[in-house]
Amino acid sequence: RKEVEQDPGPFNVPEGATVAFNCTYSNSASQSFFWYRQDCRKEPKLLMSVYSSGNEDGRFTAQLNRASQYISLLIRDSKLSDSATYLCVVNRVRYALNFGKGTSLLVTP
Amino acid sequence: DAMVIQNPRYQVTQFGKPVTLSCSQTLNHNVMYWYQQKSSQAPKLLFHYYDKDFNNEADTPDNFQSRRPNTSFCFLDIRSPGLGDAAMYLCATSSRGESWETQYFGPGTRLLVL
Repeated sequence: RKEVEQDPGPFNVPEGATVAFNCTYSNSASQSFFWYRQDCRKEPKLLMSVYSSGNEDGRFTAQLNRASQYISLLIRDSKLSDSATYLCVVNRVRYALNFGKGTSLLVTP
Repeated sequence: DAMVIQNPRYQVTQFGKPVTLSCSQTLNHNVMYWYQQKSSQAPKLLFHYYDKDFNNEADTPDNFQSRRPNTSFCFLDIRSPGLGDAAMYLCATSSRGESWETQYFGPGTRLLVL
């Protein structure tokens, strides 16, 4: 089983739609969880951390379910500029992160 | 105000010809990482430095080496590139003072092996 698994997509949604991405991780000892965003042929950039209580940043909401080892990202009111690949990231050991392959999102007019 | 700089952005090399990729940072972060990312794949950690302490991933081929002469610079040496080493190579940094898991990535060097 891969350490971090994501549905690769692509997810094609119209502007204004709500879209949700899921991610599962295999290491129950993981303590830190993140969503990174990667634009085509660019470097990954931190989108948001994921906390046990769930957290929201504008149109983005992240949730963590430790019992199920499951992380989600919800994007409301999708914009064209949200088109990118969203990487689920989980810490492995200190200073090392495991990245998922990413879920591709295309928001269309 | 570039923070993590990678040179060159594109590198073409020949099969078996050694190549060096460079990374520099202006953040004064004590941890520096090298990742390999192939098309539609996750970034894969090759190794990282915590200050001068080198930490190699168990599955990183011996063909890949790294040097960190000072806090600001880190190099990735590929001794004998094969066709399978064509990828984007990403350098990243993090700081003990900030959350170490917040990694700042450079723009990457795209390596082509002919």
